[in-house]
Amino acid sequence: KNEVEQSPQNLTAQEGEFITINCSYSVGISALHWLQQHPGGGIVSLFMLSSGKKKHGRLIATINIQEKHSSLHITASHPRDSAVYICAGGGNQFYFGTGTSLTVIP
Amino acid sequence: DGGITQSPKYLFRKEGQNVTLSCEQNLNHDAMYWYRQDPGQGLRLIYYSQIVNDFQKGDIAEGYSVSREKKESFPLTVTSAQKNPTAFYLCATSTSGRASSYEQYFGPGTRLTVT
Repeated sequence: KNEVEQSPQNLTAQEGEFITINCSYSVGISALHWLQQHPGGGIVSLFMLSSGKKKHGRLIATINIQEKHSSLHITASHPRDSAVYICAGGGNQFYFGTGTSLTVIP
Repeated sequence: DGGITQSPKYLFRKEGQNVTLSCEQNLNHDAMYWYRQDPGQGLRLIYYSQIVNDFQKGDIAEGYSVSREKKESFPLTVTSAQKNPTAFYLCATSTSGRASSYEQYFGPGTRLTVT
C-alpha cells in the first residue's frame, strides 16, 4: 500500500464541469502539497496546506487532518487545466501519489 | 530569471556508460533533491542534500551518485550499476531540508533513454 493514494487515476470532463480529485495518506505529515505536471513534464506547486482550505483562482484545496484526506477542486474547468495532478506529503521527505491524469474536453 | 535549470532535456546513452545529469539553481535554496519518475508510479527520491558538501541517500540510491560542491549545483551521475536507468529525472529545491514543510520548486526534467 502506498503512503499516499490518489483517486481517480484518470478523469475526463467537459469544459465547465466541477472537478474533484481525492488524496488519502497514511503517514504523518507536516504539510500536504498539490502539484501540477504538464505534458512536457515540468511540475509546479499549486498548494501547500496543513489545515483547512486554500483557494487560488478556480482551484480550491482542502484538508481534513483527522481523516488524513485532502481534495483538490477545480471550478469551471477549462481545457488548459488538462494535466496530471499529484498530491504529496510527509515529514523530512515527500511521499508522492501516482497522480491523476485530467483531460478537459472543449 | 530565477529558477532551476536541468540539461539536457533529452539524453541518450548506450548501456554500460555512466552519464551525468546537470541541475543548477539560482534561487539561493539550501536543499536540493533528485527524483525519478516512471510511468504509473509516483516520484521516488534518489538523493537529497540539505547543505553544501553533505547529501543523503533516498529510497532508490543504488546505481546513482551525487556531489554538492556548490550551493547552486547538484549533479546526478547515473552509473552503469543502475539496472533500469531509462526514466524521467527531476531536480527540485526548497528553502529548507525538511522537505514537506516548505514548497518545492521543480526543474523542467531530463528524459534519459539508455539502450
